[in-house]
Formats: sequence, structure tokens, C-alpha cells
Amino acid sequence: ELKVEQNPLFLSMQEGKNYTIYCNYSTTSDRLYWYRQDPGKSLESLFVLLSNGAVKQEGRLMASLDTKARLSTLHITAAVHDLSATYFCAFIPSDSNYQLIWGAGTKLIIKP
Amino acid sequence: KAGVTQTPRYLIKTRGQQVTLSCSPISGHRSVSWYQQTPGQGLQFLFEYFSETQRNKGNFPGRFSGRQFSNSRSEMNVSTLELGDSALYLCASSYQAGGPETQYFGPGTRLLVL
Repeated sequence: ELKVEQNPLFLSMQEGKNYTIYCNYSTTSDRLYWYRQDPGKSLESLFVLLSNGAVKQEGRLMASLDTKARLSTLHITAAVHDLSATYFCAFIPSDSNYQLIWGAGTKLIIKP
Repeated sequence: KAGVTQTPRYLIKTRGQQVTLSCSPISGHRSVSWYQQTPGQGLQFLFEYFSETQRNKGNFPGRFSGRQFSNSRSEMNVSTLELGDSALYLCASSYQAGGPETQYFGPGTRLLVL
């Protein structure tokens, strides 16, 4: 079964703290995507990770990919309120017909 | 560059009716994908079009259909609407089918079926 498990599904944290969102996917892939969605809004692309060991950073967010463990992480450093959103990871299985398989999303609330 | 646009943004229909949603991709993008987002099922892939051909279809009933025109604009149609079709329908475009670059999403059409 093609699936993505994100955890936690809900995270409430204080500003200034660090935390990590985990994304486990079920089958071989070297294409992992992170998106952000604000309430009532569409999806905004954050990172595209295309190889084992890939690491990308943008501001306080850093994403990494371990294709052997089928695991991607999204690390938040010194969180600020503006990062409150729902974060989705998605992957495209290798040898597939390029359909994105989505996680359930992690709703992140950052309190001042 | 203008982003992905979707029309209409909001729609209210009654059971049994049909609906057509429209998506205009980013200029130069030839691949358009459609997704359904609901609180219960999350994001689910509907179908993907590239150069007017459906390349890929998700696990949805035949009431859901789509097409793509020569200018890459796409429409999706849902016939015989059911209450469970109430959702946010998102369209995404990319330059080519199958990645690896990211897809760019439109603002979505929020459909309410009464």
C-alpha cells in the first residue's frame, strides 16, 4: 500500500523552540516534497528533495531526506508565530506513474 | 509570471446536479493535476493531464472526469453530485509531467453540495 505517515499530526509549541516533523513513506522513492498550507488557502511549495542525503534550508525551516530509511524530516528552528500552518509531505513512488502520495498533514500552532 | 488560477472560487450545488471547474496553469506549464481535499480523507489525487492527454487517474468513480485544451487549460467535471463531493478542489501545474520539479497550486474551488 502506498502511504505516508506524518507525525505528529498536531503540534503546539512556544515561540523560540525547536521541533521536528517526521515523514515516513511506504516504498522506494527519491522524490519527496514539502508543502505549507495556511487556513483556507492553497498549498505553497517549500522544498523538493531529490536524492539520498539531500538537505535544504529556507529561513527557520530545514528539510532532509534519507531514502534508505524512507524518512524525511522538517526541522523548525527558533519557531516564530508566522510559521503556524499545516505542513504536508508527499512523495512520488519510484517506478510509478508519477502520482503524488500525500501525508495527512501536521497542524503546527506556534504561540507567542 | 501569473500563478495558477481557478474558477469559480466558491460553488454551491444540490445533489444530483453536475459541476464544471476550470483551471488555467502557469504560462508555459503543460501538466495539470487535480486534487480533492477534505477533512476526512485529506488530499487525494484525481487525475493528471499533459498535452491534452490524461496520463494518470486516481481512485475516483467515473462521475469525475476532466479534459485539457490545447492551451493547457483544464476543466474537471463532476456529474450527479453527492453530499460527499463537498470539498476543496485544487489544481496544480508543472512544466512537464512526472516531475521532478514541484507542482504549483491554484487557490482552489470550494464546492458545497447540499
